[in-house]
Amino acid sequence: EVQLVESGGGLVQPGRSLRLSCAASGFRFDDYALHWVRQAPGKGLEWVSGISWNSGIIEYVDSVKGRFTISRDNAKNSLYLQMKSLRAEDTALYYCATVSADCSGATCNEYFHHWGQGTLVTVSS
Amino acid sequence: QSVLTQPPSASGTPGQRVTISCSGSSSNIGSNTVNWYQQFPGTAPKVLIYSNNQRPSGVPDRFSGSKSGTSASLAISGLQSEDEADYYCATSDDSLKAWVFGGGTKLTVL
Repeated sequence: EVQLVESGGGLVQPGRSLRLSCAASGFRFDDYALHWVRQAPGKGLEWVSGISWNSGIIEYVDSVKGRFTISRDNAKNSLYLQMKSLRAEDTALYYCATVSADCSGATCNEYFHHWGQGTLVTVSS
Repeated sequence: QSVLTQPPSASGTPGQRVTISCSGSSSNIGSNTVNWYQQFPGTAPKVLIYSNNQRPSGVPDRFSGSKSGTSASLAISGLQSEDEADYYCATSDDSLKAWVFGGGTKLTVL
């Protein structure tokens, strides 16, 4: 059974840092790209960042570029999100998610397949 | 101000057919496939439809997806009370180089 367990959330003051972790099990970790998706309280889903299986491709939403760093350790089956210069608008439940691909010939369509239960980050003084 | 536009709410009575729309642009829906996610309060999202119209195993065939041009739709037929949830469309955006979600649609079963 695929399991993704996020941790590291908490209450942090604006401008401070936090590191989120996502521990994975039940699948071959280094076969999959992984992403972080967040959801502010009472709001919709927002993609934050993604990393390919070998860390060769890394992407971020514009609002976190230069402040957040995604990384992974395939030996530890873990995904991370280092968050710096946190702002009130970063307050959200942060989910990690695996990416699966639906391939037909040379074309692959990706989607967020398995999700963790999230870890809550609250940025407030 | 989501890149993809969904109606904030939808409703129907048990047994009815309900559709939820998702409108985008040439750089997102117009160029890439659309996925739909279902989320119940207090739980993580779950993929409902991928690649415009494919259902993961375990998803009832009451749920179907379609795409035309820069818009996509999720249809739920034979509506059931347990379908009451939030629904999100998502795709990648070639201009933004990012994944984008719709603002979500809260489905109420009357």
